[in-house]
Amino acid sequence: DVKVTQSSRYLVKRTGEKVFLECVQDMDHENMFWYRQDPGLGLRLIYFSYDVKMKEKGDIPEGYSVSREKKERFSLILESASTNQTSMYLCASSQHWDSQETQYFGPGTRLLVL
Amino acid sequence: SQQGEEDPQALSIQEGENATMNCSYKTSINNLQWYRQNSGRGLVHLILIRSNEREKHSGRLRVTLDTSKKSSSLLITTSRAADTASYFCATAAIRGSARQLTFGSGTQLTVLP
Repeated sequence: DVKVTQSSRYLVKRTGEKVFLECVQDMDHENMFWYRQDPGLGLRLIYFSYDVKMKEKGDIPEGYSVSREKKERFSLILESASTNQTSMYLCASSQHWDSQETQYFGPGTRLLVL
Repeated sequence: SQQGEEDPQALSIQEGENATMNCSYKTSINNLQWYRQNSGRGLVHLILIRSNEREKHSGRLRVTLDTSKKSSSLLITTSRAADTASYFCATAAIRGSARQLTFGSGTQLTVLP
């Protein structure tokens, strides 16, 4: 069974803190994605990775960085959290470049920055 | 920028009725997908329709795609209370080094028992 897990369901951080969100997939997928979801705005792509140590910016990468040291793990880093980064963060993975591009999502991390 | 836009934003129906949601998009696509999201959870893939297909069925779901109008519809027949969720369309296109999905803002469906 396909599985994408995220390290936390809920997280509360203070402004200026460094925040790590981790995502692990057990499907040997090549592509992994980080989205944020805000009311009325749908899902917006922050970063994605198509291979280990490879990353590309999505639509809203400012204020975020990512790390992919192993194929199964993709981390999203908020170097200095700000209140406008309060959001639901969703990780997803997909099989490989030439597949059907169906994405499999984790349960999400709801982050509150105070 | 958002590629897919769902319509309506919210829909409330009685159990047993059919629910229809629409999606419009702007640029050429490889395929269009529909996802469902229960409150506070991740998205779950429902169905994928390729750009050369016009209609596809999966259980109580029926999806149509009109590439000339750049629009798609999702029909859920004989709805159940458990169908209450947000539904998103997503268009697949090549961006950067991987095929990416661009999601709309979703339709919130409420099925009343």
